[in-house]
Amino acid sequence: NAGVIQTPRHKVTGKGQEATLWCEPISGHSAVFWYRQTIVQGLEFLTYFRNQAPIDDSGMPKERFSAQMPNQSHSTLKIQSTQPQDSAVYLCASSPRDWDYEQYFGPGTRLTVL
Amino acid sequence: GDSVTQTEGQVTVSESKSLIINCTYSTTSIAYPNLFWYVRYPGEGLQLLLKVITAGQKGSSRGFEATYNKETTSFHLQKASVQESDSAVYYCALGDRSGGSNAKLTFGKGTKLSVKS
Repeated sequence: NAGVIQTPRHKVTGKGQEATLWCEPISGHSAVFWYRQTIVQGLEFLTYFRNQAPIDDSGMPKERFSAQMPNQSHSTLKIQSTQPQDSAVYLCASSPRDWDYEQYFGPGTRLTVL
Repeated sequence: GDSVTQTEGQVTVSESKSLIINCTYSTTSIAYPNLFWYVRYPGEGLQLLLKVITAGQKGSSRGFEATYNKETTSFHLQKASVQESDSAVYYCALGDRSGGSNAKLTFGKGTKLSVKS
């Protein structure tokens, strides 16, 4: 079991560019979560999917951020027109059962917006 | 909303000494939350250390213990004798189970533990 895979591990973009982050959950897990970690705000929930359907996006900035899960093997987080304040480590997690809360985290993607 | 407050910053403990990392939580939910401790070892990803889903119960793993106290809304992490290999960042987290579709975790800011030999 390879665990949750996130690519790329590091991404540098210029202000105003688009960034797409990829997540491959553990095979057989029905729930996929996205979190963002910064020094100031800590670990913050962004959004989650259950069986590929979006369930809760209450943590997503309403503009510029979107997430999709087109199939059970991957999810993407897209940030349009990136801003310096988007710089953070973006973590993806998966869980065999979302109601059990035992989430398995990937290594994260460090996004730096210049 | 939900919030978690834990011992912030860095804690340094000598090897074989005891450790306590404080964690208190706040929730507007009518249901008692699930409580977790996650850990990130150097160079590794965030992983579950222990969880307790029933108020009054204690969870344990790798020599660490935490008791879910609903009266004081606390979930402190303790270890009687730390080892150098315990050096890591520890996160307290809360899962609100009142909503049928709400499985998100709310995390504390993290506590970096350094164990000196």
